[in-house]
Amino acid sequence: AQSVTQLDSQVPVFEEAPVELRCNYSSSVSVYLFWYVQYPNQGLQLLLKYLSGSTLVKGINGFEAEFNKSQTSFHLRKPSVHISDTAEYFCAVTGNTGGFKTIFGAGTRLFVKA
Amino acid sequence: DVKVTQSSRYLVKRTGEKVFLECVQDMDHENMFWYRQDPGLGLRLIYFSYDVKMKEKGDIPEGYSVSREKKERFSLILESASTNQTSMYLCASSLNRPEAFFGQGTRLTVV
Repeated sequence: AQSVTQLDSQVPVFEEAPVELRCNYSSSVSVYLFWYVQYPNQGLQLLLKYLSGSTLVKGINGFEAEFNKSQTSFHLRKPSVHISDTAEYFCAVTGNTGGFKTIFGAGTRLFVKA
Repeated sequence: DVKVTQSSRYLVKRTGEKVFLECVQDMDHENMFWYRQDPGLGLRLIYFSYDVKMKEKGDIPEGYSVSREKKERFSLILESASTNQTSMYLCASSLNRPEAFFGQGTRLTVV
């Protein structure tokens, strides 16, 4: 079984500042890891994914995340945020044993202030 | 682009009504999912289906059922709606890969 913990429920940050949204997971098997973004009144959109290979993955809108197997973390980062990045961000994990059942974290609300 | 379409953005239903939430995807995906989203709880899986007429319970199936008669369509049914089923419902689909494509969501209010 897998579980996901997003360590911050809300992150306020000023425009053009860097941001890190933290995600830890637990699993007894190897995993695939994802970050999804949800803008107000919309569904979820895939931001980036780690399936295998390089532990630093780059996604859309200038976001990147690093898979750290020893610390079971997959933190999301952006060096300079924009007002338009205001949204809710979900970390998710899928066991790679087939079936693709995905477990989501509780979400982190990023609020970018002018 | 993959399109996952949920039939309603907003629904208001009365307690005890039978409610149908419809989801259609246009990319011949095998896997389809229904989640509910509540503040502070993230997304919780209600049911999923990996083929026509196949279904499996997720983490919170109580009070819900599903139907998948055609590959592109996955319906969520609330047999007798209750106020604690007021929530945002999200449908998703995926090819035989782990990343999913989501619909816009249906915000259901049960009064």
